[in-house]
Amino acid sequence: AQSVSQHNHHVILSEAASLELGCNYSYGGTVNLFWYVQYPGQHLQLLLKYFSGDPLVKGIKGFEAEFIKSKFSFNLRKPSVQWSDTAEYFCAVDNQGGKLIFGQGTELSVKP
Amino acid sequence: GAGVSQTPSNKVTEKGKYVELRCDPISGHTALYWYRQSLGQGPEFLIYFQGTGAADDSGLPNDRFFAVRPEGSVSTLKIQRTERGDSAVYLCASRSSGGSYEQYFGPGTRLTVT
Repeated sequence: AQSVSQHNHHVILSEAASLELGCNYSYGGTVNLFWYVQYPGQHLQLLLKYFSGDPLVKGIKGFEAEFIKSKFSFNLRKPSVQWSDTAEYFCAVDNQGGKLIFGQGTELSVKP
Repeated sequence: GAGVSQTPSNKVTEKGKYVELRCDPISGHTALYWYRQSLGQGPEFLIYFQGTGAADDSGLPNDRFFAVRPEGSVSTLKIQRTERGDSAVYLCASRSSGGSYEQYFGPGTRLTVT
């Protein structure tokens, strides 16, 4: 069965620090990959997505992610975090068949 | 345009009762999904509709859970004989049929079974 693993449950950073959140998935076929973000009190929003082409994808608010097929990974990065990036981040994968499989989420706390 | 809406935003019910949760997708979106998110977990897939029909209901945990989408727009998730373990946030998402796999999520319904 497909699964998604996020390595960090809770990450605490100071403002301006660099961020990397790990995500690995298990599925051998063609996949679409997503990072969703949930700010406090808000609903899930798409941060970025990978369908095909350039494995380095850029999303909103300065986030980017790199798809490494050989490692089944899709790590999220941001060079310099802000206090407003405090949120929960979810990696997700679908096999182009519809349903999303989510990781368990990483809570990011950014200290001002 | 309007996003995905879900009602009610909060529902408290007693164990054994029946509940209905409603999802209003983005206008024109043919695909509709239900997920359940328990505390500290990522959303878990329940069921997926393409138009009026359930294309994949493999995530429904048991026969107490049922969902309908009779006119291909609004969907209702129905839970019979609720149990305390059903307490969670129920999320709805919709997607257009234009080739994009991006799902747009609603705010969710927080269900508490006492």
